[in-house]
Amino acid sequence: SQTIHQWPATLVQPVGSPLSLECTVEGTSNPNLYWYRQAAGRGLQLLFYSVGIGQISSEVPQNLSASRPQDRQFILSSKKLLLSDSGFYLCAWSTLPTGNTIYFGEGSWLTVV
Amino acid sequence: GQSLEQPSEVTAVEGAIVQINCTYQTSGFYGLSWYQQHDGGAPTFLSYNALDGLEETGRFSSFLSRSDSYGYLLLQELQMKDSASYFCAVRDPQSSNTGKLIFGQGTTLQVKP
Repeated sequence: SQTIHQWPATLVQPVGSPLSLECTVEGTSNPNLYWYRQAAGRGLQLLFYSVGIGQISSEVPQNLSASRPQDRQFILSSKKLLLSDSGFYLCAWSTLPTGNTIYFGEGSWLTVV
Repeated sequence: GQSLEQPSEVTAVEGAIVQINCTYQTSGFYGLSWYQQHDGGAPTFLSYNALDGLEETGRFSSFLSRSDSYGYLLLQELQMKDSASYFCAVRDPQSSNTGKLIFGQGTTLQVKP
């Protein structure tokens, strides 16, 4: 069966510090991968998606970047965090064409102080 | 552009039935999905409707009317553990091969004893 893991689960970072969130998927090949962000009590905002190794599409201009160095690995990064980067970050995967189902990782709570 | 509307909050009592509505506007349509998210957790997939009608999965059912651009999630025999946020979602029609989903803002369901 397929599983998705992301880490760290929680982190508190000072403004201006770097960020690296990592996500890996197991049990499937060539998945579509996504990074979403959710502000407290709000909906899900798509940040990046990737349909293959090295292929990254950004949905919104921001202080973050994403990379996919391996087929089942997706990394979210920042060189200098802003207070507004605080939120709940979710990695997700899907395979097509199997409908509208995407599967989320456990999420990472980021607080920038 | 694409948009989804759903009520922000719904309250119901244990054992009751509750319906969460979702209306959507999209230039193309590949079906409507529903996700559940408990406080502090990641969203999990509940159901998917590609065609008109009712899909039943245990206590949860989901309905779609494509002519009305409308769907709903029906929760029966409510339990306290059903207290969560519920999101409807559609695939971004402008990126049909990427599996990108557009989410509604979510409906917070509070189940009271």
